[in-house]
Amino acid sequence: GAGVSQSPSNKVTEKGKDVELRCDPISGHTALYWYRQSLGQGLEFLIYFQGNSAPDKSGLPSDRFSAERTGGSVSTLTIQRTQQEDSAVYLCASSQGLAGGNEQFFGPGTRLTVL
Amino acid sequence: QQPVQSPQAVILREGEDAVINCSSSKALYSVHWYRQKHGEAPVFLMILLKGGEQMRHEKISASFNEKKQQSSLYLTASQLSYSGTYFCGTSRGSELSFGAGTTVTVRA
Repeated sequence: GAGVSQSPSNKVTEKGKDVELRCDPISGHTALYWYRQSLGQGLEFLIYFQGNSAPDKSGLPSDRFSAERTGGSVSTLTIQRTQQEDSAVYLCASSQGLAGGNEQFFGPGTRLTVL
Repeated sequence: QQPVQSPQAVILREGEDAVINCSSSKALYSVHWYRQKHGEAPVFLMILLKGGEQMRHEKISASFNEKKQQSSLYLTASQLSYSGTYFCGTSRGSELSFGAGTTVTVRA
């Protein structure tokens, strides 16, 4: 079946603009995670959704970042008033349950460049 | 809290072995290992659960010492395809905290 998909694959924006990044998880996966990977760095956890529970937003770096998941499927990560330090690859992953006990399937990522 | 991985990088010739270590300052429920090739998404290798057995993926194996909160990834008889950056992810249940990664280069 189809894997995790993300769009757009690349996004170039100007400082101060808002951007929306989309993630389509694998059908049936209840958990969805967003990570940020800066050049040459590891994966930084941002937020996760599990079923109908309230999302864990503990990794969001500032209040300019927000995310939602509609209908337990598609998720959108929104960054308001983008800054140059927001430039990174944003990865989405889904799993059948919480990450602790389940394999995570990663999407190809969205490369965000803030000029 | 982010786990600590070592070494940061390793260069091998085909057929050589290597060990990558991952340690956490907190008690863990599980440890995951992923490999990421340049420009691609991370790919799952294996998960080690508390109280579980040593796991294996092809000639790559891993162990999890719960008491020491450490895991090691063993690359045995390395192949060119093993090149990439290896990340350990530690979990206390719901989230994964990833290490900074270990870049492995396997040369012919």
